Amino acid sequence: EPEVTQTPSHQVTQMGQEVILRCVPISNHLYFYWYRQILGQKVEFLVSFYNNEISEKSEIFDDQFSVERPDGSNFTLKIRSTKLEDSAMYFCASSEAGVRGYEQYFGPGTRLTVT
Amino acid sequence: AQSVAQPEDQVNVAEGNPLTVKCTYSVSGNPYLFWYVQYPNRGLQFLLKYITGDNLVKGSYGFEAEFNKSQTSFHLKKPSALVSDSALYFCAVRDEGSQGNLIFGKGTKLSVKP
Repeated sequence: EPEVTQTPSHQVTQMGQEVILRCVPISNHLYFYWYRQILGQKVEFLVSFYNNEISEKSEIFDDQFSVERPDGSNFTLKIRSTKLEDSAMYFCASSEAGVRGYEQYFGPGTRLTVT
Repeated sequence: AQSVAQPEDQVNVAEGNPLTVKCTYSVSGNPYLFWYVQYPNRGLQFLLKYITGDNLVKGSYGFEAEFNKSQTSFHLKKPSALVSDSALYFCAVRDEGSQGNLIFGKGTKLSVKP
């Protein structure tokens, strides 16, 4: 069964450093998402991406964040200058279509620790 | 604003007994409702969804959920719990006006004891 993969599983970085989180969505999916979950809190939407552009983003997704699909398979989330409060589990997801009835399939997550 | 509430932090059930994990929602339009399960060190796995039609939706691993529009609820159920069902369960909603983002509840930890 195809699944979403994410690398690395755990990333430790110092405050102010740039990090890139990588995801490989399911191959025939067209819509891609990033969510995050701060320890003990809800899973929160960050951004959705379709046809090489952002289709929706939350208030959390400020200028420090960017997303890219650099090739036909990877989907990345970049945090330009990490802050302590960026420490969280980051989940990538993909779906066949963006219409509301299609479920999203999630990767196992990358745990980001900012020190 | 859209929101999802899971009123129970934890649900404890004996193996073989029926289980219910509660979820209520608030949206401005028609709701699209989802249940996901998270096992330790794993991502969120899709269980089932309600889009339209029959109010009782069947999903993976013997789970089902009942959509109740008047009570704005979408409770997850299983007739006979297994120890292996122990996990974190998330209810999520998507508003018909959204571009695709899911709004999640805070999660309910299900513990099934032998």
